[in-house]
Amino acid sequence: GESVGLHLPTLSVQEGDNSIINCAYSNSASDYFIWYKQESGKGPQFIIDIRSNMDKRQGQRVTVLLNKTVKHLSLQIAATQPGDSAVYFCAETFYNQGGKLIFGQGTELSVKP
Amino acid sequence: NAGVTQTPKFRVLKTGQSMTLLCAQDMNHEYMYWYRQDPGMGLRLIHYSVGEGTTAKGEVPDGYNVSRLKKQNFLLGLESAAPSQTSVYFCASSYPSGGLPDTQYFGPGTRLTVL
Repeated sequence: GESVGLHLPTLSVQEGDNSIINCAYSNSASDYFIWYKQESGKGPQFIIDIRSNMDKRQGQRVTVLLNKTVKHLSLQIAATQPGDSAVYFCAETFYNQGGKLIFGQGTELSVKP
Repeated sequence: NAGVTQTPKFRVLKTGQSMTLLCAQDMNHEYMYWYRQDPGMGLRLIHYSVGEGTTAKGEVPDGYNVSRLKKQNFLLGLESAAPSQTSVYFCASSYPSGGLPDTQYFGPGTRLTVL
């Protein structure tokens, strides 16, 4: 069945370094991918999304890369800050699926000052 | 705008008790969702709604019921709570565009413990 998974459950980086969080997905028909950030005790917060007809999208300090050939998604955070410490989830969904998201397990990002 | 709000924030139930979780959104979104999140895991979809008066099952619907009588509200009910339903429950909403979903906005969550 479809699944979305993350390669690393935890990631520790130094403040100011760049962070890369990876995600693998299994369904090549997925249309839409999203990265969410979840801080402790809060609901997930949208970071950035990408449609399947794109391979790169940039936001403020964040970039999402989509490699459909190997079904891989990554989130790059530039100049990581302590406020970036959180759990990051990738999610995928499909056309005409009522917006149902399939979430990965999550990667906990810890930023050391 | 308040966004997505959830009531209550915390609840403790005994096995067999019932309760209803309320989700409200003021963004005029068509789609609403209920997820559960267990420790160390991602969110799993329980039920969702693509419009007022409609509901559909998600990935883990057993033991839950939902209703969407008003566009802005989505209720999640547990008729007979079980310890396996101890979890954090999140509601979300989105406005679909072009057949693909728009960004889902999440509420702050309800932490439910079933003893």
